[in-house]
Amino acid sequence: AQTVTQSQPEMSVQEAETVTLSCTYDTSESDYYLFWYKQPPSRQMILVIRQEAYKQQNATENRFSVNFQKAAKSFSLKISDSQLGDAAMYFCAYRKNTGNQFYFGTGTSLTVIP
Amino acid sequence: GAGVSQSPRYKVAKRGQDVALRCDPISGHVSLFWYQQALGQGPEFLTYFQNEAQLDKSGLPSDRFFAERPEGSVSTLKIQRTQQEDSAVYLCASSLYQSTDTQYFGPGTRLTVL
Repeated sequence: AQTVTQSQPEMSVQEAETVTLSCTYDTSESDYYLFWYKQPPSRQMILVIRQEAYKQQNATENRFSVNFQKAAKSFSLKISDSQLGDAAMYFCAYRKNTGNQFYFGTGTSLTVIP
Repeated sequence: GAGVSQSPRYKVAKRGQDVALRCDPISGHVSLFWYQQALGQGPEFLTYFQNEAQLDKSGLPSDRFFAERPEGSVSTLKIQRTQQEDSAVYLCASSLYQSTDTQYFGPGTRLTVL
């Protein structure tokens, strides 16, 4: 079974600083996708970044980047130059290449301190 | 529409009542998903539609849960004889074609069963 673990229920970061959110997953598949979603208080899940497992290069989207370690089954999110608008719940998610289902972690609540 | 919309945003039901939750996916999106998000947890998959066909309902927790998408656009999640454990946020997501495409989420419906 696929499981996604986020071991940091809460994190905080000073505005303009960098923070890293951790995620590990368990799978026997070799081809899959990993995602980070942001869920602000409005509850709307917003895609932050996506990584294909077959790609060795880490995905980057502006201030957001990932550290994908396939052998270690680790997928951390780095947020650089943190902004107040980054405050939200962040969910790591896994999906098989041919699957319908997303498997989500329990989330990390990020606070940005002005 | 510009994004996935859901209605109502909030629903309070007495135990034993039936409820119907509506999802309007992004126009033209073929795939539609329902998730259940309990308090403090990540979303959990309920069911998946490709157009009007319900291809995966493995996540529905009981036969009290029923989903439909009769014309391949709007979907309704119905919960019969609601129980307190049904209290959660119900998220809808859509993707353009295949289930493997990026999913775009709606704001969710918060169901509280008293």
